[in-house]
Amino acid sequence: KAGVTQTPRYLIKTRGQQVTLSCSPISGHRSVSWYQQTPGQGLQFLFEYFSETQRNKGNFPGRFSGRQFSNSRSEMNVSTLELGDSALYLCASSSGLAGPTDTQYFGPGTRLTVL
Amino acid sequence: AQKITQTQPGMFVQEKEAVTLDCTYDTSDQSYGLFWYKQPSSGEMIFLIYQGSYDEQNATEGRYSLNFQKARKSANLVISASQLGDSAMYFCAMRGNGGGNKLTFGTGTQLKVEL
Repeated sequence: KAGVTQTPRYLIKTRGQQVTLSCSPISGHRSVSWYQQTPGQGLQFLFEYFSETQRNKGNFPGRFSGRQFSNSRSEMNVSTLELGDSALYLCASSSGLAGPTDTQYFGPGTRLTVL
Repeated sequence: AQKITQTQPGMFVQEKEAVTLDCTYDTSDQSYGLFWYKQPSSGEMIFLIYQGSYDEQNATEGRYSLNFQKARKSANLVISASQLGDSAMYFCAMRGNGGGNKLTFGTGTQLKVEL
């Protein structure tokens, strides 16, 4: 089975621009979660999508948004980029059905640099 | 809300020796899952092992075992016969019973395996 894929792997943007990141989950998985990883804040949960619906949301401003398509692929969008948005963005997929035992498998991440 | 504490920012171990990475957690949920992930310098988060709160046996996966002590709220990772390729950042994470598929991560432990 192919793993989780994320594109692009690296991005450089300037302040004020917007960016879209893409994530393709493991085949058969219906849940996609997004995390932001920075040296200062560590790993923080952004949001989760399950069957095209946002099921859970972290404590991030509205500039961070996402969506999920019928094939479970997900996109994350950040508008009006700020320097502090520079981070590794990780996407994780899981079945979404197993409750607390649901294991999330991560993609390689997208490293975003905002200049 | 869940909280994960990893008190060892960095650890050194000799090749072929065993090492224990500490993790304590806090939650009011009765049902929860505990996970360990490995993050090499490449950035990808690799799932290692999982323990459910109702599992009576400690989880094992190859050279990885999880020392689960529910009363003490600890879920330490034990790596036996360390290899140079085990050098990486290790994160403990948990998922509670509600709130969708959100993982709460600790701050991580940087493990260095030496010859």
